[in-house]
Amino acid sequence: DQQVKQNSPSLSVQEGRISILNCDYTNSMFDYFLWYKKYPAEGPTFLISISSIKDKNEDGRFTVFLNKSAKHLSLHIVPSQPGDSAVYFCAASSYSGAGSYQLTFGKGTKLSVIP
Amino acid sequence: GAGVSQSPSNKVTEKGKDVELRCDPISGHTALYWYRQSLGQGLEFLIYFQGNSAPDKSGLPSDRFSAERTGGSVSTLTIQRTQQEDSAVYLCASNRLMDTQYFGPGTRLTVL
Repeated sequence: DQQVKQNSPSLSVQEGRISILNCDYTNSMFDYFLWYKKYPAEGPTFLISISSIKDKNEDGRFTVFLNKSAKHLSLHIVPSQPGDSAVYFCAASSYSGAGSYQLTFGKGTKLSVIP
Repeated sequence: GAGVSQSPSNKVTEKGKDVELRCDPISGHTALYWYRQSLGQGLEFLIYFQGNSAPDKSGLPSDRFSAERTGGSVSTLTIQRTQQEDSAVYLCASNRLMDTQYFGPGTRLTVL
């Protein structure tokens, strides 16, 4: 049973427009959410995060929105650039004991920004 | 500074053989995680080490999988009697407690 779902495996956006990547989760114990970006043959790199006590966090062109009642978060990239083309993973964190904040990942959304 | 490094970057093995995958975390990071990403899937948590505490092994899929972390630094993930379903990219991450996890480039394991 997937606890973190990214229902769109791929997304294509024109350069300069907004990219919106969506993520849904089922576990109400998740208290911290992250977006990672992954290029081929590289490990995921941290992009932006949000605590469950907030509903928005902004960092430059990237904004993450959290709707706790809907158990939904989204990543907005504006304006989108060709270098943003990558696979984006949504991840959720919960404390699992003994200091472990393991991450539960979605399957990823492949973003293609078309010049 | 240096990031998380993993070796080998690629490993092809025959079904039934044992493999060892290595992770060198970022210096000073006390926590180390192993994940794997199977084709078309998200990253799946395998095991977590924090300092000298007993590891959290709750994600290991079977008793063929084990991991060690020596001296609180380098970690080795061992898969015994590999099966074709073990084929995946194995990713290591490290962090300071409660900080962002930083990932290595991964080891792509192919079991023939």
